[in-house]
Amino acid sequence: GAGVSQSPSNKVTEKGKDVELRCDPISGHTALYWYRQSLGQGLEFLIYFQGNSAPDKSGLPSDRFSAERTGGSVSTLTIQRTQQEDSAVYLCASSVPPGPLVEQYFGPGTRLTVT
Amino acid sequence: QKEVEQNSGPLSVPEGAIASLNCTYSDRGSQSFFWYRQYSGKSPELIMFIYSNGDKEDGRFTAQLNKASQYVSLLIRDSQPSDSATYLCAVNRRGNNRLAFGKGNQVVVIP
Repeated sequence: GAGVSQSPSNKVTEKGKDVELRCDPISGHTALYWYRQSLGQGLEFLIYFQGNSAPDKSGLPSDRFSAERTGGSVSTLTIQRTQQEDSAVYLCASSVPPGPLVEQYFGPGTRLTVT
Repeated sequence: QKEVEQNSGPLSVPEGAIASLNCTYSDRGSQSFFWYRQYSGKSPELIMFIYSNGDKEDGRFTAQLNKASQYVSLLIRDSQPSDSATYLCAVNRRGNNRLAFGKGNQVVVIP
């Protein structure tokens, strides 16, 4: 079946502009996660959605970052007033109803470059 | 102390040899442990997971978990050039649904 999809695959933007990144999880997966991976760094958790519950936003680095998930499926990560340090690969993952023993499957990522 | 640490530098192994990767974690309450493989420019791909102390084998891969010592390792037997990638260790902490990742170990298999 189809995996996690993300768009765009690459995004170049000027400092100060807003960007929107999209994630479409695996069908039937109710949990959705956003991570980012900076050059030479490990994956950093950003935000987690599960069904209709309030999202876990504990990983968002600043209030310029926000995310929403509509209809329990597609999610959009928005970065306002982008800064050069926001340059990274933004990865989305999904899983079946979450728990500590559940595997997460990743999409191909969006490479964001802020100039 | 970082949640998940992978301290080894790049690992070069000859084709056919065993590659051994180690990972330590800080939270004793961690419940599940995952190894992801990431090819350059690609997203992480799940290759192994382990929940219980001991060994778990899947093909040429073996994951080993020692909760008392708080480490998890990955062995790759009969290493192939296609195994050349970065291997990420990830841990799911108790009461938490997000994964904490190490920085990864690069493996280079030399034909």
